[in-house]
Amino acid sequence: GAGVSQTPSNKVTEKGKYVELRCDPISGHTALYWYRQSLGQGPEFLIYFQGTGAADDSGLPNDRFFAVRPEGSVSTLKIQRTERGDSAVYLCASSLGASYNEQFFGPGTRLTVL
Amino acid sequence: AQTVTQSQPEMSVQEAETVTLSCTYDTSESNYYLFWYKQPPSRQMILVIRQEAYKQQNATENRFSVNFQKAAKSFSLKISDSQLGDTAMYFCASLNRDDKIIFGKGTRLHILP
Repeated sequence: GAGVSQTPSNKVTEKGKYVELRCDPISGHTALYWYRQSLGQGPEFLIYFQGTGAADDSGLPNDRFFAVRPEGSVSTLKIQRTERGDSAVYLCASSLGASYNEQFFGPGTRLTVL
Repeated sequence: AQTVTQSQPEMSVQEAETVTLSCTYDTSESNYYLFWYKQPPSRQMILVIRQEAYKQQNATENRFSVNFQKAAKSFSLKISDSQLGDTAMYFCASLNRDDKIIFGKGTRLHILP
């Protein structure tokens, strides 16, 4: 596709469950970013990949959150033992590379933890 | 640390009027980028306009323009001839060499018919 895609669009889960959120970046984009947007707030940085490696994971809130990008394209954000406070929209973005390149955003996954 | 502050949680204007959204930021970097993003109910974050800090000339994109005051660390967005389709959340954001976009809390803009 032409843009960044994210699946699922919406995810409802129960407290304590494990979830995976998927991001398909624009073809050829080497950099991939995850952001979290809580209700009424702006997005907050979680993690950034350059290729297959996590270049900066300083935004991950705790060790329940983990992300991978094994082949340098698709990325999966994994959340273990979900808590109600994890409810938010998770946005993915990609760019041609690091250093000030424009980031193109996907439509996000709305995660609701009951 | 970078911060971005938007002091107007919500604004309403009549269609065809001009509206200005305010933003201030703080950074210790000498080179950085500033952005305004639009987020309609579809959640898609759309880049409206970007400004490179080392460029003194204010960026313009059709009906959208910015007033970049580097010394004051101010970056306001002006929307001229506002249209119903401009109704959305607007986020001011900054980016420096660490590639993490820092967003403000947003301004909800309503264009009234």
